[in-house]
Amino acid sequence: GEDVEQSLFLSVREGDSSVINCTYTDSSSTYLYWYKQEPGAGLQLLTYIFSNMDMKQDQRLTVLLNKKDKHLSLRIADTQTGDSAIYFCAESMDNDMRFGAGTRLTVKP
Amino acid sequence: GAVVSQHPSRVICKSGTSVKIECRSLDFQATTMFWYRQFPKQSLMLMATSNEGSKATYEQGVEKDKFLINHASLTLSTLTVTSAHPEDSSFYICSARADRGGANTEAFFGQGTRLTVV
Repeated sequence: GEDVEQSLFLSVREGDSSVINCTYTDSSSTYLYWYKQEPGAGLQLLTYIFSNMDMKQDQRLTVLLNKKDKHLSLRIADTQTGDSAIYFCAESMDNDMRFGAGTRLTVKP
Repeated sequence: GAVVSQHPSRVICKSGTSVKIECRSLDFQATTMFWYRQFPKQSLMLMATSNEGSKATYEQGVEKDKFLINHASLTLSTLTVTSAHPEDSSFYICSARADRGGANTEAFFGQGTRLTVV
């Protein structure tokens, strides 16, 4: 079956860059997403990238897509304590979405 | 941005009772709504997809008679957990998508509902 995989934990120091990686298996995915989940809150869409793009930048966020390797990454520049959360990557095709297990990002002062 | 409101955020119920969770799109018409279940340290699992005015499409392994989904209008979908058991305790999240010209667009998520069955 199709699985979206990402590491469960990442710890960085405040001010450093964070890179969260994700692999997916369905080459027919049309959009790939990054969501942020803060404690007690629902998922917040951070950014998304269309499958024919290689990179998308939005302020401190940079998304890189390697479609050949089915690898997606989210880079957060100048990571702040407020960035501590769980980050989910997701792929979508047609009317379905599949999520990874989420990466818990901890930002240490 | 678009807002999806999910209610209640937390509910505790007794075994054998039914619980209804509402998902509303507040400022857009959601032709498609999704219901997910999240287990600790696991990914979100899609339970079912519903389109307004038609029966929901359930994922394999999800009991349609236990998890009743009603998408009666373009702004409201409900998930009813019938005859709840402790193993149904989980975090349930809905999301809504506004179809725009057939393009695959972003989905907006509700706040989630923490269901505890005692």
